[in-house]
Amino acid sequence: GENVEQHPSTLSVQEGDSAVIKCTYSDSASNYFPWYKQELGKGPQLIIDIRSNVGEKKDQRIAVTLNKTAKHFSLHITETQPEDSAVYFCAASSTGGSYIPTFGRGTSLIVHP
Amino acid sequence: DSGVTQTPKHLITATGQRVTLRCSPRSGDLSVYWYQQSLDQGLQFLIQYYNGEERAKGNILERFSAQQFPDLHSELNLSSLELGDSALYFCASSGRTSGHYNEQFFGPGTRLTVL
Repeated sequence: GENVEQHPSTLSVQEGDSAVIKCTYSDSASNYFPWYKQELGKGPQLIIDIRSNVGEKKDQRIAVTLNKTAKHFSLHITETQPEDSAVYFCAASSTGGSYIPTFGRGTSLIVHP
Repeated sequence: DSGVTQTPKHLITATGQRVTLRCSPRSGDLSVYWYQQSLDQGLQFLIQYYNGEERAKGNILERFSAQQFPDLHSELNLSSLELGDSALYFCASSGRTSGHYNEQFFGPGTRLTVL
């Protein structure tokens, strides 16, 4: 089955800095890569996703890149703000079967004001 | 607000007991997924239902079972509870969006504490 590795487990930055979270996956059949943000006491919320036919996608201060050859994808947050502090999860799934995503273990991002 | 609702928000019970967690998916979504989130195991997929039928099974224990009703709400039943079952249980739904990729929308979760 799919295996998703996520690094780092904890990331501490100053407000205004950039943050990068990296994930690798093992199954070359995976072609959908969502990122979720989980704030304290809440469920994971989809913030951005990327399909395998796209190398990069941006949404305001958030961007995701995908390297299918190397089987890795990354989340980039620019101009971080204290409200970006949360746990971020990457996931990978394929269009075959039930689209069940395999999640990374999560990255706790702390943005210091 | 994702549109997915879960009840109860918190549940405290004793070992050996049985509990039922409830989930209502987003309007129009046909798929419901159940996940368990614990500190040491991360977010683990348990089971998926699609339009009332079981579609996929993950790391779900035999003591756990689920069902999806005709109105599409779902229940997760946990029995013979053990201390290790203490965790956050999330429900997610999908199916309303178009295309081949089913974006999942998570509910706020039920925190289960087994004493």
